[in-house]
Amino acid sequence: QKEVEQNSGPLSVPEGAIASLNCTYSDRGSQSFFWYRQYSGKSPELIMFIYSNGDKEDGRFTAQLNKASQYVSLLIRDSQPSDSATYLCAALNDYKLSFGAGTTVTVRA
Amino acid sequence: GAVVSQHPSRVICKSGTSVKIECRSLDFQATTMFWYRQFPKQSLMLMATSNEGSKATYEQGVEKDKFLINHASLTLSTLTVTSAHPEDSSFYICSATGVASDTQYFGPGTRLTVL
Repeated sequence: QKEVEQNSGPLSVPEGAIASLNCTYSDRGSQSFFWYRQYSGKSPELIMFIYSNGDKEDGRFTAQLNKASQYVSLLIRDSQPSDSATYLCAALNDYKLSFGAGTTVTVRA
Repeated sequence: GAVVSQHPSRVICKSGTSVKIECRSLDFQATTMFWYRQFPKQSLMLMATSNEGSKATYEQGVEKDKFLINHASLTLSTLTVTSAHPEDSSFYICSATGVASDTQYFGPGTRLTVL
């Protein structure tokens, strides 16, 4: 079983819509969770991290964490064509990150 | 803040040669640096973790004699791919964390092609 699993995608949303990305993790010892965005051919860039149950908002992005369900999500509001990328969910355990396979999002203009 | 650079961004070499990749934290002291490898259409796989002044810790299945890591200062770590072969062709990415932080900031990556 993979440590971090993401919905496989690809996910296509119209411009201005909400994109919803999901992630589950298997290790209950995971302490923090990170969402990275990766454009094709580029390295990941940090969007946000979350470590407490509940919601965390940063601009158009909202991360949600439910430790009881071992579930993390990312909502992208008012999606823009520039949001088209692969989104990586990562769980931190003992200072190391385990990455999911990523979900590719395409925002249609 | 939290800028990480890598050099070179792209390298093409002949089979059997060695290639050195540098990773630098530009505006913070990186207590820990990580080296990842990413094959096309796949996610990042951690190769090794290095702390300044210590030997690197390699993940299972990663040959430490083939992938030499040196973390000589709080701002520089190097990865040397020795006797590179075509199957080593990949996107190599480093990341770094600062003091009292678990957040990893990634360098721009190095695309290695071994002919």
